Parts: sequence; structure tokens; C-alpha cells
Amino acid sequence: AQKITQTQPGMFVQEKEAVTLDCTYDTSDQSYGLFWYKQPSSGEMIFLIYQGSYDEQNATEGRYSLNFQKARKSANLVISASQLGDSAMYFCAMRERLSGTYKYIFGTGTRLKVLA
Amino acid sequence: KAGVTQTPRYLIKTRGQQVTLSCSPISGHRSVSWYQQTPGQGLQFLFEYFSETQRNKGNFPGRFSGRQFSNSRSEMNVSTLELGDSALYLCASTRLQASNTGELFFGEGSRLTVL
Repeated sequence: AQKITQTQPGMFVQEKEAVTLDCTYDTSDQSYGLFWYKQPSSGEMIFLIYQGSYDEQNATEGRYSLNFQKARKSANLVISASQLGDSAMYFCAMRERLSGTYKYIFGTGTRLKVLA
Repeated sequence: KAGVTQTPRYLIKTRGQQVTLSCSPISGHRSVSWYQQTPGQGLQFLFEYFSETQRNKGNFPGRFSGRQFSNSRSEMNVSTLELGDSALYLCASTRLQASNTGELFFGEGSRLTVL
């Protein structure tokens, strides 16, 4: 079973508008972390934002915010005021404990295209 | 400070050959993990090393192996290459402590093409 699900293979957004990228997760752990990464065409994965499972407030980093709904097990990324440079693949990831260490699980990604 | 460095960035091999990829983590990061990325598959976890010991391993055949050196640099090796091994191989390092979020820092990847 998929532990991280990103149901939107591709998304379009007009420049300067906001866009929400969906992510749902599945875990039985109480303590876990949720991440979003951006992957431009160059290939490097760039860390955007983090939400801990015990964090009561939604994480924000500049134009990025994470809409964390714990009961629904969703961690959607909201990008405000989209820019052309936001066009990239976006991956949602979860870190959970595994036998005394940590394991990171990634979704299949959403390709975002920002239109001028 | 320097980021995660992966070499080579691009390489082309033929079926049956073997390949070794290298990764130098961020200074101070002792955990290094490897991922395989193919179109439509997202990132598939290969293995993770910490202080020269493999802590976790993904569901890949034994042709995929790795190691970590005392300076935390890591290498992964793929033997008897198959066409399906063509992928972007990403290395990531982290310094997971109670005081930080433990995000992974990725290199730019090694793009392997198997002909």
C-alpha cells in the first residue's frame, strides 16, 4: 500500500495565483515528519518545508505553506503568488521511525507548470 | 558550506557492465542514503549508511550494493547492468538530531543510461 499518495500527476497555474498540491499519507506512528521537496529539471531535490506530527500550527516558509490536517492524514503544499521559476516536480515525503532509525518515503510527485 | 557532491553526473554503460557512483555528504553529516528515480516511479529507496554501517535497505536485488567510508563518503555499485537500471541516482545526507528537522540534503544526482 502506498504510504505517500500524490493524486495530481500534473498541475497548471497562472502566474501570480496560488496553487495547492495534494498529499495524503499513511502511518501508524505518532511521531513522524512531513516534507516537501522541489525538483527542477536540473535534477537536484530542494527542501521546501517541514511539518512535525506534533506541530500544532501549519508550517510556513516564505511563499510556501503546509496545510496540515492530521485527522485526515493530509499535508497539502500551498504556493502563493506563483512564479515562472516554480515550474518543477514537487515531492511529498514522510519520515517515520523504523527499528531505531528513520526511513524516508516519497510520493510519485506532481509536475507543476506555471503559465505566464 | 559545500553541498552534497555526486560523481559522475552523467554516464553511459552497456548491459552486463558494472558501475560505481560516488557521493560526498555535507561536512558533519554521517547519514548517507541512496535513491533511484525513474519516470513515474518517484524515488525508490536503495539503502542508508551511518558510520560505515548499512542501517536500512530497500527492495532491490543484490546487484545493488554500497558502502560508506570513515570520512562518510559513500559509493554505490551496480553489477551486471540491465536496461531497467537506467535512472537518476540521488544521494542524500542528513544530520538528524533532536534539535533539527532532519531534512535530507540531496546532490544533483548521477544520471545513468544503460544501452
